[in-house]
Amino acid sequence: AQSVTQLGSHVSVSEGALVLLRCNYSSSVPPYLFWYVQYPNQGLQLLLKYTTGATLVKGINGFEAEFKKSETSFHLTKPSAHMSDAAEYFCAVSDITGNQFYFGTGTSLTVIP
Amino acid sequence: EAGVAQSPRYKIIEKRQSVAFWCNPISGHATLYWYQQILGQGPKLLIQFQNNGVVDDSQLPKDRFSAERLKGVDSTLKIQPAKLEDSAVYLCASSLGGVAGVFGQGTRLTVV
Repeated sequence: AQSVTQLGSHVSVSEGALVLLRCNYSSSVPPYLFWYVQYPNQGLQLLLKYTTGATLVKGINGFEAEFKKSETSFHLTKPSAHMSDAAEYFCAVSDITGNQFYFGTGTSLTVIP
Repeated sequence: EAGVAQSPRYKIIEKRQSVAFWCNPISGHATLYWYQQILGQGPKLLIQFQNNGVVDDSQLPKDRFSAERLKGVDSTLKIQPAKLEDSAVYLCASSLGGVAGVFGQGTRLTVV
């Protein structure tokens, strides 16, 4: 079975500061990993995903994440936060067939002007 | 490319009533998921279909929830009877399998 844990349900950063949102997974087989963003009253939008190959994955809006197998982590980062980045962020995991597509509990990002 | 369509967007019902949600996935996507997202929590997988077969329904409360995907395209999720704790956003997603799911905007259910 697969699961994800997001450390920190709320993260606040100043505008222009580094954004770091943490995600750890547990999986008995190599997983696929995803980050989604959810704005208020909206559905989930895919930011980036890791399937195979390069462990540093670049996504939309300047976000990137690095798959670290030894640490079972897939942390999301962005060098400089913008006000528009304020949203809820979810890490998710699935197996390579798309089964067991499970989400973490989410991290709410606040950007302080 | 059209996205995942869900209807209705909002629904308010009294407890013990029945309700149904509809999802039209992206054309060609064989995998369809229904999630329940309670306020302040992450989406919880209720059921996953592969074409019209159920792959995973381990977290579906089968005493009151049911879902079907006739002909392997559209899907409906039903709650009968609804409880107060069913108040949530119900999200539908579809994928080609092994590819990130594309989500609809969800149906916000309020049970009073």
